[in-house]
Amino acid sequence: QSALTQPASVSGSPGQSITISCTGTSSDVGGFDYVSWYQQHPGKAPKLMIYDVSDRPSGVSNRFSGSKSGNTASLTISGLQAEDEADYYCCSYTSTSTLVFGSGTTVTVL
Amino acid sequence: QVLQQQWGAGLLKPSETLSLSCTMYGGSFSVYYWSWIRQPPGKGLEWIGEINHLGSTNYNPSLKSRVTILLDTSKNQFSLQLNSVTAADTAVYYCAASVLVEGGFDIWDQGTMVTVSS
Repeated sequence: QSALTQPASVSGSPGQSITISCTGTSSDVGGFDYVSWYQQHPGKAPKLMIYDVSDRPSGVSNRFSGSKSGNTASLTISGLQAEDEADYYCCSYTSTSTLVFGSGTTVTVL
Repeated sequence: QVLQQQWGAGLLKPSETLSLSCTMYGGSFSVYYWSWIRQPPGKGLEWIGEINHLGSTNYNPSLKSRVTILLDTSKNQFSLQLNSVTAADTAVYYCAASVLVEGGFDIWDQGTMVTVSS
């Protein structure tokens, strides 16, 4: 299975909003509402930010939101803050009952 | 809840078997899925496989022939075996669990670096 496609990098100024895309196929992202997003700071374990396309775990800031259209899922970070600078990965359930991660996106706060 | 890997062999030779185990601490709870995920140096995350509370497993097709994941519910512990390792298996290995939410891994351990080199 091939990794989901994410932009290598996205940047924004503090206070701005940015959106990270995650493109798959009808056999993964497009076929199920089981997309999750993870934030990973350097040298740290990933942290769950969004699950089931748009749900936030308890304790995650409401500045993070998720959505999906067709075969593309998106993570939006509003009110960008310095602490949001990290790598972000999407993850989707697939038609073969497996999971596949995205290629990862580095977010830079200018 | 906290996941903690037990210290395993951090350096392996090609063709050897990678063995890791992970224990959940922190009281009584139900776990939807227990998973292993790895990250080669400087690269992205790769899902290895999972096991649910009933012992049913799913594996990454690219690793399926070499991977075994087992669960010991009496110890809240699950394990990973990866046979016939090569340099391409060099990575940080994470154990993760879906505890409070079914649709994502909300509990992770700190990760263990495993290097394969002759």
